[in-house]
Amino acid sequence: NAGVTQTPKFQVLKTGQSMTLQCAQDMNHNSMYWYRQDPGMGLRLIYYSASEGTTDKGEVPNGYNVSRLNKREFSLRLESAAPSQTSVYFCASSERLAGSYNEQFFGPGTRLTVL
Amino acid sequence: GDSVTQMEGPVTLSEEAFLTINCTYTATGYPSLFWYVQYPGEGLQLLLKATKADDKGSNKGFEATYRKETTSFHLEKGSVQVSDSAVYFCALSDRAAGNKLTFGGGTRVLVKP
Repeated sequence: NAGVTQTPKFQVLKTGQSMTLQCAQDMNHNSMYWYRQDPGMGLRLIYYSASEGTTDKGEVPNGYNVSRLNKREFSLRLESAAPSQTSVYFCASSERLAGSYNEQFFGPGTRLTVL
Repeated sequence: GDSVTQMEGPVTLSEEAFLTINCTYTATGYPSLFWYVQYPGEGLQLLLKATKADDKGSNKGFEATYRKETTSFHLEKGSVQVSDSAVYFCALSDRAAGNKLTFGGGTRVLVKP
């Protein structure tokens, strides 16, 4: 099993350009998440999908959109990139959102630079 | 809202030294607690977890005890190795807040031979 995969690994954009970050998981998980990681701030939740067909905003959703394409895939789109979106982006998945605890499995990350 | 506070790094140690990383939290409900580790160039991996008070999570020589009275979940390892060099994140999952993970800022640990 590959677990959680993300593409691309690295990307450089100019301000105003758009792009989509792809994420897929092969663990048959119901819930998927997008985080951004900035120095000293830990991981902050951008959007999540509790189950196929649903998406919800997290802590920092402005400037992003998401699509839960099917149970396996969850993409993150930047419509008009800004330098403030320079970050490392992680996708994660978990069996479900509800329950006594929520163990999440993470992809390797996408390092995005916006000039 | 929920929050997690952990000591800032970097923490630099010699091999075989004792490691402690402090973590305290605030939560609306009764959270589950986690430590994740991020090795250079990789995503986060779950290191250990505890789901109720006085539970001790352990893995790879690391331990942390869920202390409800002090709202803490400090990570410890008795003898670190160079391979333990990584960034460590404390996190909580609170059912009252929708069961999403809330992370601390991360602590970078560097172990020198």
